[in-house]
Amino acid sequence: QVQLVESGGGVVQPGGSLRLSCAASGFIFSNYGMHWVRQAPGKGLEWVAFIQYDGSNEHYADSVKGRFTISRDNSKNTLCLQMSSLRPDDTAVYYCAGGSDYWGQGTLVTVSS
Amino acid sequence: DVVMTQSPLSLPVTLGQPASISCRSSQSLVHSDGNTYLNWFQQRPGQSPRRLIYKVSNRDSGVPDRFSGSGSGTDFTLKISRVEAEDVGVYYCMQGTHWPALTFGGGTKVEIK
Repeated sequence: QVQLVESGGGVVQPGGSLRLSCAASGFIFSNYGMHWVRQAPGKGLEWVAFIQYDGSNEHYADSVKGRFTISRDNSKNTLCLQMSSLRPDDTAVYYCAGGSDYWGQGTLVTVSS
Repeated sequence: DVVMTQSPLSLPVTLGQPASISCRSSQSLVHSDGNTYLNWFQQRPGQSPRRLIYKVSNRDSGVPDRFSGSGSGTDFTLKISRVEAEDVGVYYCMQGTHWPALTFGGGTKVEIK
């Protein structure tokens, strides 16, 4: 059974940092490019970042470039998103996704003073 | 950047009646490999997105056959042949052709009249 389980969300002040993790199981993690996608409260889906199956390439949405870093550890079937210089408009549920096939349940990040 | 435009924004439907959602892209979604990476997702209230259809018309495992996808190039449609109560939620189209960014439509909210 495929599972993607995000963790690490919480409340953080503007300008702060947070690290999200996504634990994958039930599929060959090292074969999949992985994405982070977010959804602000009551809004639609926004792609955030992508990392290639072997970690060789990373791509970011303009809205997070220079502030967020995506990484993966294929030996541990784990995907991460390091977020810094957080802003109130980064408030969202963050989903990890394996290609477009598999999605986690999301973790909520709230940026507020 | 590719822009995905969905219509309508809201779709009230009588139980047992058909429903149709349109999705248009600002650029052709035909990839150089010949495939068209247009997917449809369902997001039920309080849940994470679930893929229903991949590459225009292929149903994911476990998706009822009342859901069907069609289209080509820049124009795509998701149809529900007979809406059931469990189909309530927001539906998103998503392109994966213009890699690596995923681009989502704004969403169509299906509700029961």
